[in-house]
Amino acid sequence: EPEVTQTPSHQVTQMGQEVILRCVPISNHLYFYWYRQILGQKVEFLVSFYNNEISEKSEIFDDQFSVERPDGSNFTLKIRSTKLEDSAMYFCASRGAVETQYFGPGTRLLVL
Amino acid sequence: QKEVEQDPGPLSVPEGAIVSLNCTYSNSAFQYFMWYRQYSRKGPELLMYTYSSGNKEDGRFTAQVDKSSKYISLFIRDSQPSDSATYLCASPRVGDNKLIFGAGTRLAVHP
Repeated sequence: EPEVTQTPSHQVTQMGQEVILRCVPISNHLYFYWYRQILGQKVEFLVSFYNNEISEKSEIFDDQFSVERPDGSNFTLKIRSTKLEDSAMYFCASRGAVETQYFGPGTRLLVL
Repeated sequence: QKEVEQDPGPLSVPEGAIVSLNCTYSNSAFQYFMWYRQYSRKGPELLMYTYSSGNKEDGRFTAQVDKSSKYISLFIRDSQPSDSATYLCASPRVGDNKLIFGAGTRLAVHP
């Protein structure tokens, strides 16, 4: 069964460093998303991406964040200068024509 | 008012019990409703989705939507210890399709 994959599973970084989180969505899906979940809190939307551009972003998704689909398979989230409060699980999701979104296993980011 | 509200629990039941998990939503424009299961420190796993009112059954799971009262439910029959997880309800906002999640209900099924 096709699935969304994410790498790395864990990332530890120093405050101020750049991180890139990678995702491989389900191959025939056209809509891509990043969500995050701070420990003990709700899953919250960051950004959606369709047709090679951002279609919607939340107030969390400020200038320190960017997304890219560098080739036909990968979808990345970059945080330019990490802050302590960026520590969270980051989930990639994708969907096809139907509304259902399928999530990857997540990347646990810890900013020290 | 939060768009999707869900009692965080925890809910503890004995193995074999019928479990009822519930959410309410405030936005009448919501049309699709999903239930995800999330094991500790893992990604949300899609369990069921429904469109409009009524019931949908899949094995031991039944999803129910009552649009008139803006109430969605997930029933688990013959619950198993492996069902112990956090259950998230969610709905995609019309137009941008971003999922709005409830807080999740933590369920523990004990042998």
